[in-house]
Amino acid sequence: GAVVSQHPSRVICKSGTSVKIECRSLDFQATTMFWYRQFPKQSLMLMATSNEGSKATYEQGVEKDKFLINHASLTLSTLTVTSAHPEDSSFYICSARGAGTSDNSPLHFGNGTRLTVT
Amino acid sequence: AQSVAQPEDQVNVAEGNPLTVKCTYSVSGNPYLFWYVQYPNRGLQFLLKYITGDNLVKGSYGFEAEFNKSQTSFHLKKPSALVSDSALYFCAVRDPNYGGSQGNLIFGKGTKLSVKP
Repeated sequence: GAVVSQHPSRVICKSGTSVKIECRSLDFQATTMFWYRQFPKQSLMLMATSNEGSKATYEQGVEKDKFLINHASLTLSTLTVTSAHPEDSSFYICSARGAGTSDNSPLHFGNGTRLTVT
Repeated sequence: AQSVAQPEDQVNVAEGNPLTVKCTYSVSGNPYLFWYVQYPNRGLQFLLKYITGDNLVKGSYGFEAEFNKSQTSFHLKKPSALVSDSALYFCAVRDPNYGGSQGNLIFGKGTKLSVKP
């Protein structure tokens, strides 16, 4: 089946530094990837949608200069949390939809990244 | 606006008993409905979906869900629960007529299922 690899699974960084999270589709081409943020005991909040080769579309309230998304190839999207602060600590999850699939196709999720900013 | 409601934060079931995790939705058109499961510190795994056709949908790991248009519900069910079913379950909806983020799903807040031996 379709596999999405997300790396790192956990990261601890100091306040003010930047952290990059990678999301790779291992056995399929992902034209669209989604980035979510999940707070404890809460649902997934969509942050942005990225399409290969174009700028990401950010949801209302998400700072695009803070959360940089790059989708440079059909198998890789990255989320960079710039100048991280403790309030950015969260669980970040990516998902991908394969090329040629319809909007009612299931999404394939990475295993998430637990970011802790100290 | 689209929305999904999972009225129960937690469902407790004894192993071997049937389980139901509730979900109701609100969309303007005919919905695409999904159930996903999340294990601790992991991403979501797809369980099943309803797009059209039979109201009873069968999915992975013995789960099934029944689409009820009149009640706008899509409850997840399993005839006999296993301890290994303990996880966080998310219902999600997509209104195909909604011009939001491409192919994005709106997720419920999740229901924690706890199956005791």
